[in-house]
Amino acid sequence: DVKVTQSSRYLVKRTGEKVFLECVQDMDHENMFWYRQDPGLGLRLIYFSYDVKMKEKGDIPEGYSVSREKKERFSLILESASTNQTSMYLCASSQEVYDNSPLHFGNGTRLTVT
Amino acid sequence: DQQVKQNSPSLSVQEGRISILNCDYTNSMFDYFLWYKKYPAEGPTFLISISSIKDKNEDGRFTVFLNKSAKHLSLHIVPSQPGDSAVYFCAARTNTGNQFYFGTGTSLTVIP
Repeated sequence: DVKVTQSSRYLVKRTGEKVFLECVQDMDHENMFWYRQDPGLGLRLIYFSYDVKMKEKGDIPEGYSVSREKKERFSLILESASTNQTSMYLCASSQEVYDNSPLHFGNGTRLTVT
Repeated sequence: DQQVKQNSPSLSVQEGRISILNCDYTNSMFDYFLWYKKYPAEGPTFLISISSIKDKNEDGRFTVFLNKSAKHLSLHIVPSQPGDSAVYFCAARTNTGNQFYFGTGTSLTVIP
């Protein structure tokens, strides 16, 4: 069974802080993703990575960066947290496109920026 | 621009009856479609998928129907159970990209 683990379930940070959200998957998946979920807006893609050290911007990358130094680990970085980044953050992984396999999600990190 | 749309934010159904959740998409290049279920404070869990070469896929109480000409898919849950109460997201992907596109979700309440 695929396991995607996010390091924190709940985080409270202050405006201007640098925030790191960590995600680890145990299935040797090529692709990893960061989404945020907000009421009425669904899941919006922030960044994704299809290989180590490779990254692509999603729909809402502003204010975020990512790091993928190892295949199993994908980090989301909020360079200077702002209140509009208060959200549920979801990490996911998947195999290659040709496998027609689904995204597997972690349990999410509820981030509050005050 | 929302490429995957779920126009019903919420749905209530009696226990034992059928729940039908709908999803529309605009990108004709989508060829793989998925449904996810999400409980509060948890990540989405994969329910069922369908590729564009099919028009129906079943898994137990869950059936997904795909109408490519109408760019529409639906999820049927029969019979509905109180534990099915959750937010349901549909998602889609093209055969050339790694990105999954999600709808805004439909909150299903199954009334005992």
